[in-house]
Amino acid sequence: KAGVTQTPRYLIKTRGQQVTLSCSPISGHRSVSWYQQTPGQGLQFLFEYFSETQRNKGNFPGRFSGRQFSNSRSEMNVSTLELGDSALYLCASCPGQVTYEQYFGPGTRLTVT
Amino acid sequence: AQSVTQLDSQVPVFEEAPVELRCNYSSSVSVYLFWYVQYPNQGLQLLLKYLSGSTLVKGINGFEAEFNKSQTSFHLRKPSVHISDTAEYFCAVLYPGAGSYQLTFGKGTKLSVIP
Repeated sequence: KAGVTQTPRYLIKTRGQQVTLSCSPISGHRSVSWYQQTPGQGLQFLFEYFSETQRNKGNFPGRFSGRQFSNSRSEMNVSTLELGDSALYLCASCPGQVTYEQYFGPGTRLTVT
Repeated sequence: AQSVTQLDSQVPVFEEAPVELRCNYSSSVSVYLFWYVQYPNQGLQLLLKYLSGSTLVKGINGFEAEFNKSQTSFHLRKPSVHISDTAEYFCAVLYPGAGSYQLTFGKGTKLSVIP
């Protein structure tokens, strides 16, 4: 099976712009989670989607949003970008309760200037 | 709420020497435990996990970890490291009763293997 794919891999944006990141989970996985990784804060949970429903959300402002489509692909959107949003955004998919194993994509490196 | 503490931010070790990366967690309920590895410019790869059963779990690349409930620890060990083990290692917990698969991560430990 193909792994988790994320597009784009690298992105440079300007403060105030918005950005959309995409994640395609492993085939058959219905859960998709998003994490933000920064040197200062480490890995922080953004949100999780399961069968198109947001099941859980981390402590991030409303500028961060996401959605999941019927084919389990997911997108996250960040509006009104701030310098502090520069980070590696990781997507992970999970097959379910049997293993609880999460498979991570390579990430999207977002730089806000 | 769960929290994870990785006691060492950096661990240098000579090639072929043993290594232990320490992880302690805080939770009032039972959790599942994971170790992930991240190589430069890559995502995270699962090394091993503890859900239940034997407290000693074996993972990929010769790593193993021991779950200690009384000490709320899940330390990662390898008897002999290789240069290729140089990477950052993350301990994580998942609360199965939360109705989601959210992982809470420690801050990470950078393992540097010295030739």
